[in-house]
Amino acid sequence: KQEVTQIPAALSVPEGENLVLNCSFTDSAIYNLQWFRQDPGKGLTSLLLIQSSQREQTSGRLNASLDKSSGRSTLYIAASQPGDSATYLCAVTPFYNQGGKLIFGQGTELSVKP
Amino acid sequence: DGGITQSPKYLFRKEGQNVTLSCEQNLNHDAMYWYRQDPGQGLRLIYYSQIVNDFQKGDIAEGYSVSREKKESFPLTVTSAQKNPTAFYLCASRLAPGEKLFFGSGTQLSVL
Repeated sequence: KQEVTQIPAALSVPEGENLVLNCSFTDSAIYNLQWFRQDPGKGLTSLLLIQSSQREQTSGRLNASLDKSSGRSTLYIAASQPGDSATYLCAVTPFYNQGGKLIFGQGTELSVKP
Repeated sequence: DGGITQSPKYLFRKEGQNVTLSCEQNLNHDAMYWYRQDPGQGLRLIYYSQIVNDFQKGDIAEGYSVSREKKESFPLTVTSAQKNPTAFYLCASRLAPGEKLFFGSGTQLSVL
């Protein structure tokens, strides 16, 4: 059974710091991995989607990597800003499942202090 | 603007009452999903639908029901059989398993 884990559950950093969020999964048979951002009381916003054949994706100050063999993905945020404060979730689409269901991690709550 | 619309934003349920959460999308996506989010437990899948007039149970379907009569609509009914309905409910859709998943803004359901 696929399981997705995100460590740490919470992270606090000073503004301007570069940081890395971690995501691990137990089964490497995946279509893709997606990173989301969630603000309190809001829906999820898609940040980056990495297909299983790709190693990384970049969007602005965000860079996500994927290592299927080790079951790991990282989200790198450069020059963090207070506006980056939110919960970040990763999710995988298992290759052998019905309906393309996503399996989510529990998220890392990020706080960037001015 | 294309997107997913969930309504209402807040909903209150009395004991023994059924309530229905609305989810509408204009993205022309085939697949739609309902997730439940509880603090500290992440997102759990309730129901999903890959095409019109077809849907499957997710991991926590007991006490819930859905319909998919139109491609753009996937309403969720929380029945009186769901004894702990207080949660944040999220609707999502996407074109295919290899594509991005898009979410609505959510409905917070509470029990009076």
